[in-house]
Amino acid sequence: GAGVSQSPSNKVTEKGKDVELRCDPISGHTALYWYRQSLGQGLEFLIYFQGNSAPDKSGLPSDRFSAERTGGSVSTLTIQRTQQEDSAVYLCASSSGPGQGNNEQFFGPGTRLTVL
Amino acid sequence: AQSVAQPEDQVNVAEGNPLTVKCTYSVSGNPYLFWYVQYPNRGLQFLLKYITGDNLVKGSYGFEAEFNKSQTSFHLKKPSALVSDSALYFCAVRDMGSGTYKYIFGTGTRLKVLA
Repeated sequence: GAGVSQSPSNKVTEKGKDVELRCDPISGHTALYWYRQSLGQGLEFLIYFQGNSAPDKSGLPSDRFSAERTGGSVSTLTIQRTQQEDSAVYLCASSSGPGQGNNEQFFGPGTRLTVL
Repeated sequence: AQSVAQPEDQVNVAEGNPLTVKCTYSVSGNPYLFWYVQYPNRGLQFLLKYITGDNLVKGSYGFEAEFNKSQTSFHLKKPSALVSDSALYFCAVRDMGSGTYKYIFGTGTRLKVLA
């Protein structure tokens, strides 16, 4: 498909376990974003990757959260020692360059994470 | 600090009536403003954007938005609402102060169009 894909679509885990969420952006898109959508909270920015530049990690809520983007394409968001408050829908989006500032983002379907 | 506000959690409108979903922003410099829509069980989709130029921006599905610099607003509008427009709408602004291309999203407004 031509869109942004995310896996898994749903993840149920136990408190304290680690989880990995995957995002496949649109081919050729140099920018990749991770957001968290909690009920009634809107979209919370987590991290942004642009090409080979250092990522903007300013939105990561704690050091339990990390993300990497290999080869400028696929990205993985890792949450260590999950807590119940991590339960949310995690959204990935990609955007084309070079005019990143005015380009719309294309969102994936999200991963619904439930921490028991 | 850069911010965007959607003051209404929910907007109800009768089918065929005009609709407005409100958004106000606070940024330094010229804002880049966006509207996205999230239909039930579907991902967010881009609707329209304002970067520069005409204050009235036209987008997908018959939606438009008016940029008002003096009121720092970017309200989403449609002349005649459809039941199928019922969805969650997000306003977003580029965070000009971050030095990167980070975006700030509002908390969303749920639009319900009644038949």
